[in-house]
Amino acid sequence: QKEVEQDPGPLSVPEGAIVSLNCTYSNSAFQYFMWYRQYSRKGPELLMYTYSSGNKEDGRFTAQVDKSSKYISLFIRDSQPSDSATYLCAMSDTNAGKSTFGDGTTLTVKP
Amino acid sequence: KAGVTQTPRYLIKTRGQQVTLSCSPISGHRSVSWYQQTPGQGLQFLFEYFSETQRNKGNFPGRFSGRQFSNSRSEMNVSTLELGDSALYLCASSVLAGANGELFFGEGSRLTVL
Repeated sequence: QKEVEQDPGPLSVPEGAIVSLNCTYSNSAFQYFMWYRQYSRKGPELLMYTYSSGNKEDGRFTAQVDKSSKYISLFIRDSQPSDSATYLCAMSDTNAGKSTFGDGTTLTVKP
Repeated sequence: KAGVTQTPRYLIKTRGQQVTLSCSPISGHRSVSWYQQTPGQGLQFLFEYFSETQRNKGNFPGRFSGRQFSNSRSEMNVSTLELGDSALYLCASSVLAGANGELFFGEGSRLTVL
């Protein structure tokens, strides 16, 4: 079983929809939780970065971390066609010295 | 501020050959990590270098190696290429070692092994 499981998708939504992307994990040592966005033929781009449990909001994006349930989410409000990309969750703990990634969810926002 | 630069962007090799990929991190970043991305396995950690020292290594065979230079630039080498080594190789830099999360990725080197 993988340490990080991500809802596989793909997701296709109309423009303006609220999108929910989710990951679960098994390693309770994870302290840092990230969401990356990857456009086709590009490298991943850090979108949201959260330490420990709680919510973090940045414009149309909200990241939630529930360490008790080992569950993280990314919400995108008022989704735009430019949000069409693959979204990767990632987690790390300092001792491991690496980030562990989910397999990614491909999102398409249709105009 | 320039981002992470990886060269070459695309390359084609045949089985048994070796390949060297290069990564120039963001100025001031001393940590460089390498990841392999494939459709079946997603992003898999290869290794991390900080101040010219390998700090961590993933579960890859010894054919995969790397190094970091005093200017923080890094190279990775894959010897005796196999078909399964076809992948996007991503380099990421960060200010601190230990992967507390904030990785800045390059656009990757796409390797095809025939």
